[in-house]
Amino acid sequence: EVQLVESGGGLVQPGGSLRLSCAVSGFSMSVYWMAWVRQAPGKGLEWVANIKEDGSEKHYVDSVKGRFTISRDNSKNSLYLQMNSLRAEDTAVYYCARSFEHWGQGTLVTVSS
Amino acid sequence: DVVMTQFPLSLSVTLGQPASISCKSSQSLVDSDGNTYLSWFQQRPGQSPRRLIYWVSNRDSGVPDRFSGSGSGTDFTLKISRVEADDVGIYYCMEGPHWLSKCSFGQGTKLEIK
Repeated sequence: EVQLVESGGGLVQPGGSLRLSCAVSGFSMSVYWMAWVRQAPGKGLEWVANIKEDGSEKHYVDSVKGRFTISRDNSKNSLYLQMNSLRAEDTAVYYCARSFEHWGQGTLVTVSS
Repeated sequence: DVVMTQFPLSLSVTLGQPASISCKSSQSLVDSDGNTYLSWFQQRPGQSPRRLIYWVSNRDSGVPDRFSGSGSGTDFTLKISRVEADDVGIYYCMEGPHWLSKCSFGQGTKLEIK
């Protein structure tokens, strides 16, 4: 069974950093591109970043470029999102997804003082 | 960047009746490989999103055939032939998915039962 489990969310002050992880099981992550998508409270879905199967290409939504970094470790079946210089508007549930076909349950990030 | 516009933003449908959601992209979604990268997602209350349709009209595994997607170029439609109570939620179209570039979602259409 395909499973994606996010972790690492929590409360962080503006300007702070957080690293999200997504542990996958039930498939070989090395043959799928992966993505992070977020959803602010009561709002719609917003794509955040994609990463190619081997990590050689990454794409970001403009609002996080230079602050967020998507990465992966296929040997550990894990996807990551390093989030720096966090802002209040980054507050959201963050989902990892396998090619948008399978999604995790999400992890909540709250940026507030 | 591609902008995805959905309408209506909310829909109230009687059980057993059809429903239709439109999605318009600001530019053609036909890629150089010949595929059209348009997907539809369902998000039930309190749940993670679930993909229903990819490449305009291909249903994902386990998706009832009551759901169908159609369209081309810049205009796309998700149809539910007979709405059931389980269909309540928010539906999103999305340009993508593909790793080659950015993806973008529509604003979402909230479906409720009348």
